[in-house]
Amino acid sequence: AQTVTQSQPEMSVQEAETVTLSCTYDTSENNYYLFWYKQPPSRQMILVIRQEAYKQQNATENRFSVNFQKAAKSFSLKISDSQLGDTAMYFCAFMSLDDKIIFGKGTRLHILP
Amino acid sequence: GAVVSQHPSRVICKSGTSVKIECRSLDFQATTMFWYRQFPKQSLMLMATSNEGSKATYEQGVEKDKFLINHASLTLSTLTVTSAHPEDSSFYICSAPRGQGVVKLFFGSGTQLSVL
Repeated sequence: AQTVTQSQPEMSVQEAETVTLSCTYDTSENNYYLFWYKQPPSRQMILVIRQEAYKQQNATENRFSVNFQKAAKSFSLKISDSQLGDTAMYFCAFMSLDDKIIFGKGTRLHILP
Repeated sequence: GAVVSQHPSRVICKSGTSVKIECRSLDFQATTMFWYRQFPKQSLMLMATSNEGSKATYEQGVEKDKFLINHASLTLSTLTVTSAHPEDSSFYICSAPRGQGVVKLFFGSGTQLSVL
């Protein structure tokens, strides 16, 4: 069975700084997808970024980028120039080819003014 | 706009009653939908996979008689919490995958269930 581990329950960073959220996972599959989702106080799940396991190039979306290390089964999220609106719960997630998605326990990120 | 609609957003019910939550894909067909449960300050836990035209697949530890899932059409899945008790109070979220090849997973806005 797949597992997703987020070792940082909570983090705080000053506005405009860069922050990295860690995520490791375990799977025996070779093809899969990895995601970072943001859940603000509204509790709506918002996709931040996705990575296909077969792609070596790290995904980027504006201020968000990932460091995907397939052999190490690591998938960290870097937020550059952090903004107050980035304050939220961030979940790392693994999706197998049957579309079933497993979430990590989350990291609560506070961006301080 | 939202591609997955979930209703109601909030429901309060008395202990012993049943509550139905709907999840609709708005402009695409979803043969599979997923139901999650989230306790305060915790992660989303997969409860079951809803399959159109066949029985739902439940995760280990989830009572199928307590959480009835019906995937009535290619755009609608319902979760019924039967004989609800206070411990069933939680935030329930559905999701549906869309696309082939590059699949995207869309989430409903969630339902906060409070059982008195």
